[in-house]
Amino acid sequence: GESVGLHLPTLSVQEGDNSIINCAYSNSASDYFIWYKQESGKGPQFIIDIRSNMDKRQGQRVTVLLNKTVKHLSLQIAATQPGDSAVYFCAENMDQTGANNLFFGTGTRLTVIP
Amino acid sequence: SQTIHQWPATLVQPVGSPLSLECTVEGTSNPNLYWYRQAAGRGLQLLFYSVGIGQISSEVPQNLSASRPQDRQFILSSKKLLLSDSGFYLCAWRDGGTGNTGELFFGEGSRLTVL
Repeated sequence: GESVGLHLPTLSVQEGDNSIINCAYSNSASDYFIWYKQESGKGPQFIIDIRSNMDKRQGQRVTVLLNKTVKHLSLQIAATQPGDSAVYFCAENMDQTGANNLFFGTGTRLTVIP
Repeated sequence: SQTIHQWPATLVQPVGSPLSLECTVEGTSNPNLYWYRQAAGRGLQLLFYSVGIGQISSEVPQNLSASRPQDRQFILSSKKLLLSDSGFYLCAWRDGGTGNTGELFFGEGSRLTVL
């Protein structure tokens, strides 16, 4: 099957700086994407999503950009805080028999330096 | 509001022993239910999904099985655990129906160590 991958496994940023986490996907038919945040020992938590008919979506301190031409997804976190330290996953939605299922990338570990 | 409960949170089992992880969802009907596994330092691998009672689809061949005896109950089982079954298991749900997208809601996970 097709997979979702990440360019960088780890990212360290200074507190207050902006963070950019990248993700490449290979299924051109994917129509929906989500970013999740996972803290150590916990289940992933939803951050933001975007549908394929959009190229940008903003939330509180976060922005997701979608470039369908090069099949690239990015998550931008403004004014990164220590509480943002976690592993971030992108996921793409694939249509399968009877269900639309989410497939996840490997993840990027974000470390915020105080 | 909807909630998802998963247990046990931590489990240490010997090789060859059976496994049963349980997951229940409250506050919704006819959800799609999922089991994912996460190996240490890795991403989430979809193991099973279910769109209704008794309907189970497997994503990868493995030593595990899943069952959905009730609408909001999803169980992950094994008859004989292998060392390679160790990992962090996550149950998740989503609004049901084919063609549906939207957020996937995860439980807090069950950490399984097979010795």
